[in-house]
Amino acid sequence: EDKVVQSPLSLVVHEGDTVTLNCSYEVTNFRSLLWYKQEKKAPTFLFMLTSSGIEKKSGRLSSILDKKELFSILNITATQTGDSAVYLCAHYGGSQGNLIFGKGTKLSVKP
Amino acid sequence: NAGVTQTPKFRVLKTGQSMTLLCAQDMNHEYMYWYRQDPGMGLRLIHYSVGEGTTAKGEVPDGYNVSRLKKQNFLLGLESAAPSQTSVYFCASRDLGQGARETQYFGPGTRLLVL
Repeated sequence: EDKVVQSPLSLVVHEGDTVTLNCSYEVTNFRSLLWYKQEKKAPTFLFMLTSSGIEKKSGRLSSILDKKELFSILNITATQTGDSAVYLCAHYGGSQGNLIFGKGTKLSVKP
Repeated sequence: NAGVTQTPKFRVLKTGQSMTLLCAQDMNHEYMYWYRQDPGMGLRLIHYSVGEGTTAKGEVPDGYNVSRLKKQNFLLGLESAAPSQTSVYFCASRDLGQGARETQYFGPGTRLLVL
């Protein structure tokens, strides 16, 4: 059964800390793994990963995929209060070829 | 471009009432999706469409119907609302193809409360 498991479910840090969010997955036919950030409203796209070992970066955020071990991590360096959000990991799978989401990691960054 | 829009933003229904949620996208995307998001459950797929005139069931389709009469619109209907349908509903769309074109873009959500 295709699934996505994220850890931790919640995390509280202070501004300036570095955090690592984890995403492990099981999928029959892997196509891509996606990370989203969800604040008050809609999930907004962060990264799409398709190849193992290639880091994607955007400012203080970066992500990498390990297709052999079936996991991905999202790193955030020098965290800011604006990074507070739920971070969602998802991959394409299932019989419908749709996105399968993890339950998310709720990150709270304290000033 | 407005991207993906949803109406209404918030609605309160009584048990047994019906309503339709509208999703519109202006990106000429082929695929459209309806998800519901509940605390502790993540995002779950209700129905989806791979093109105008086509619809298919997702993970949690019971109690919902959908229609895709126009490529840019995807409607989600509740014929007889139940308290278990209290949730936040998100619409998403994506392009046809693989790689970067598989990125799904989400609407702002509709918060539904069924009393």
